[in-house]
Amino acid sequence: NAGVTQTPKFRVLKTGQSMTLLCAQDMNHEYMYWYRQDPGMGLRLIHYSVGEGTTAKGEVPDGYNVSRLKKQNFLLGLESAAPSQTSVYFCASFSGTNYGYTFGSGTRLTVV
Amino acid sequence: AQTVTQSQPEMSVQEAETVTLSCTYDTSESDYYLFWYKQPPSRQMILVIRQEAYKQQNATENRFSVNFQKAAKSFSLKISDSQLGDAAMYFCAYSYSGTYKYIFGTGTRLKVLA
Repeated sequence: NAGVTQTPKFRVLKTGQSMTLLCAQDMNHEYMYWYRQDPGMGLRLIHYSVGEGTTAKGEVPDGYNVSRLKKQNFLLGLESAAPSQTSVYFCASFSGTNYGYTFGSGTRLTVV
Repeated sequence: AQTVTQSQPEMSVQEAETVTLSCTYDTSESDYYLFWYKQPPSRQMILVIRQEAYKQQNATENRFSVNFQKAAKSFSLKISDSQLGDAAMYFCAYSYSGTYKYIFGTGTRLKVLA
């Protein structure tokens, strides 16, 4: 099925550990985004990409890195996880012509 | 900087009744887009309705309609004939041409009472 796939769906990390969240889309979309959702704060943009090989910072980029080596994949990395990074992470993609993101199903990350 | 404000953290509505969720935004752009998303307990983000700023006509999708007041920078969502399945968190979002980044409000949790 066409869409956005996020892996993993759940993860528990210890403080200081690293991990990578993978977002894959099969719709040939140019634009991809990583958001985090926290209670009472809505969704906030971490990083985004407007095309293969490009990345840019969003509203809350500190502690995260991203890469978009292939058009279909957008990776979000945590080099040294902190409890403040406990959140639900959403990836989204967008074609640029039909307004409305396609969202992944989210990753619940807990840092203990 | 653009901002989106949802001033109602929680709303309740009786089944079959009508409810209106409020959203205001601030922007200096003239070409932008507004959205309402529904997030049920499954966590999936579901597009409910979208509005292009250049269109004066309010968008409608079945039981869902918006009241778009561009001068007032207001974008409210009306749900008619509320159903139990409408219970969810609703997010208002703003986007503009170029990077198409979304700016979300903090959400309104809608409860539907049987």
